[in-house]
Amino acid sequence: GNSVTQMEGPVTLSEEAFLTINCTYTATGYPSLFWYVQYPGEGLQLLLKATKADDKGSNKGFEATYRKETTSFHLEKGSVQVSDSAVYFCALSDPRDTGRRALTFGSGTRLQVQP
Amino acid sequence: EPEVTQTPSHQVTQMGQEVILRCVPISNHLYFYWYRQILGQKVEFLVSFYNNEISEKSEIFDDQFSVERPDGSNFTLKIRSTKLEDSAMYFCASIGSYEQYFGPGTRLTVT
Repeated sequence: GNSVTQMEGPVTLSEEAFLTINCTYTATGYPSLFWYVQYPGEGLQLLLKATKADDKGSNKGFEATYRKETTSFHLEKGSVQVSDSAVYFCALSDPRDTGRRALTFGSGTRLQVQP
Repeated sequence: EPEVTQTPSHQVTQMGQEVILRCVPISNHLYFYWYRQILGQKVEFLVSFYNNEISEKSEIFDDQFSVERPDGSNFTLKIRSTKLEDSAMYFCASIGSYEQYFGPGTRLTVT
């Protein structure tokens, strides 16, 4: 079955540091890949997505590239801010015949950014 | 911007009671989902719904759970007889093209 593995958290960084959160996946076929963010006390918000190999998703300074050869979708940001403190979830959707399969989530990585 | 809404934001219930969690998906979306997140754990898929029937469900979604679209806008999750382990955040989602839009969640506390 499909699965997503994320690096353990929490990740603690100083403001303006470089961020990488690793995500690898196992899936049959060619999944779509997503990063969702969950701010304290809130629901899940889509941060970025990529639907095919070598696609780069980007939003709010965050980027992730769909790497089929390494089955990875690592999240990066060049300079984090305190307001980026949240839990980040990597997820995949396997859009096979039904086209609307459920999302499979990783365990989430908590990011804490200190001023 | 259209959004998924959920009510209530927090529900406290006693073990054995029935609860109904409500969601209003984005109006032109056709696929709807329920997920749950036990505190501190990963988000888990429960069920998907399309064309007035369940299209996929996980092993978590046993006979205690049911879903319904009672009218043209609401999508509900019913838990017939709640257990302590049902305490979690429940998220509703609906899909447009590729991305699922999530509601803010209902925190269910079973005492």
